[in-house]
Amino acid sequence: DADVTQTPRNRITKTGKRIMLECSQTKGHDRMYWYRQDPGLGLRLIYYSFDVKDINKGEISDGYSVSRQAQAKFSLSLESAIPNQTALYFCATSDQGAGNTIYFGEGSWLTVV
Amino acid sequence: AQSVAQPEDQVNVAEGNPLTVKCTYSVSGNPYLFWYVQYPNRGLQFLLKYITGDNLVKGSYGFEAEFNKSQTSFHLKKPSALVSDSALYFCAVRDMGSARQLTFGSGTQLTVLP
Repeated sequence: DADVTQTPRNRITKTGKRIMLECSQTKGHDRMYWYRQDPGLGLRLIYYSFDVKDINKGEISDGYSVSRQAQAKFSLSLESAIPNQTALYFCATSDQGAGNTIYFGEGSWLTVV
Repeated sequence: AQSVAQPEDQVNVAEGNPLTVKCTYSVSGNPYLFWYVQYPNRGLQFLLKYITGDNLVKGSYGFEAEFNKSQTSFHLKKPSALVSDSALYFCAVRDMGSARQLTFGSGTQLTVLP
């Protein structure tokens, strides 16, 4: 079983719909992240959380929200999806410490039509 | 501020030849540097990182990278490329003295030709 699990792996949704991407981890890490990958742009940080009561905006948080339901669960929501939110979304985790390695899930392909 | 540049979108190399994937960075202080690899339809996998100490870092699958502070570079290398090394490679940096999280480069597509 994967250490970082994302659901759904693929989703097509319509413009204006609300969509939630879920992430769970079994690594026991405190820190969790949501990234977005677009061709030619690399990965950009959407939100991150250092513990259950901590939520921080990343580079591109507009149009997104998150919820840290438990140490092991971190969900990303698009309240009203738009086509330019079509992308590959990654959840990731890391232990404490600035130099600690970030571990990624398998990704969730989201297409907004 | 922190940033990272991967100047080559695409690198082609013949199987058995040495490979280099370039990365340069910019930070205000000292850097933490990482390399990740992404195979098709998969997540990013950690290859190696530089935190402190020896400038030559050895990682998974025979890859290594050399931290060069004067040139602000952290190029990824492998002495003998395999077809199975074909993938998308990402360099990432974090400034040790910053609250900012990891910044990723735009990625380099490596193709190893049989």
